[in-house]
Amino acid sequence: ELKVEQNPLFLSMQEGKNYTIYCNYSTTSDRLYWYRQDPGKSLESLFVLLSNGAVKQEGRLMASLDTKARLSTLHITAAVHDLSATYFCAAIWVSGGNKLVFGAGTILRVKS
Amino acid sequence: GAGVSQSPSNKVTEKGKDVELRCDPISGHTALYWYRQSLGQGLEFLIYFQGNSAPDKSGLPSDRFSAERTGGSVSTLTIQRTQQEDSAVYLCASSLGRSTEAFFGQGTRLTVV
Repeated sequence: ELKVEQNPLFLSMQEGKNYTIYCNYSTTSDRLYWYRQDPGKSLESLFVLLSNGAVKQEGRLMASLDTKARLSTLHITAAVHDLSATYFCAAIWVSGGNKLVFGAGTILRVKS
Repeated sequence: GAGVSQSPSNKVTEKGKDVELRCDPISGHTALYWYRQSLGQGLEFLIYFQGNSAPDKSGLPSDRFSAERTGGSVSTLTIQRTQQEDSAVYLCASSLGRSTEAFFGQGTRLTVV
């Protein structure tokens, strides 16, 4: 079974600082996704990573994928308060009928 | 439609009643997912449809839960004899296929009293 683990589960950081959220997955997957969820809202797609070495950037967020290490990272550069949200990674479990499996989420709080 | 549409957005029901939750995916999307999110928790996978068939029903918590999809489009999640532990936000997502991201609806907040 595919298991997706994120760490940290909670991150409190100062504005202007950098940090990385890690997403490990347990079995082969060739599709990795990052989502953002604001309180009381649904999930918003941030990045789709489709191949080993893929790197995507949007504003202060950059996501990467290492399929050999079964690791994806979401790097936050010079955090601002508006980035406060819960961030989820998810991977496709190919041998499990293409089920989309989510990590537990990382709650990010950026303090002014 | 422009996005994934779920109805109702909120549902309060009495314990023991049956409820139906509806998901209208983005037109042309063949994959459809149902998830459950309890307060402050992550996403619990319930069921996945490819077209009208569900390759994996293992996520359904009990036999009180069932789901169907007709015409490769609208899906209905039915919960029979609701219990208080069924209270959660039920999220639906659709995608073109497994290589593209899944787009989520706004969810149905179910409260069982």
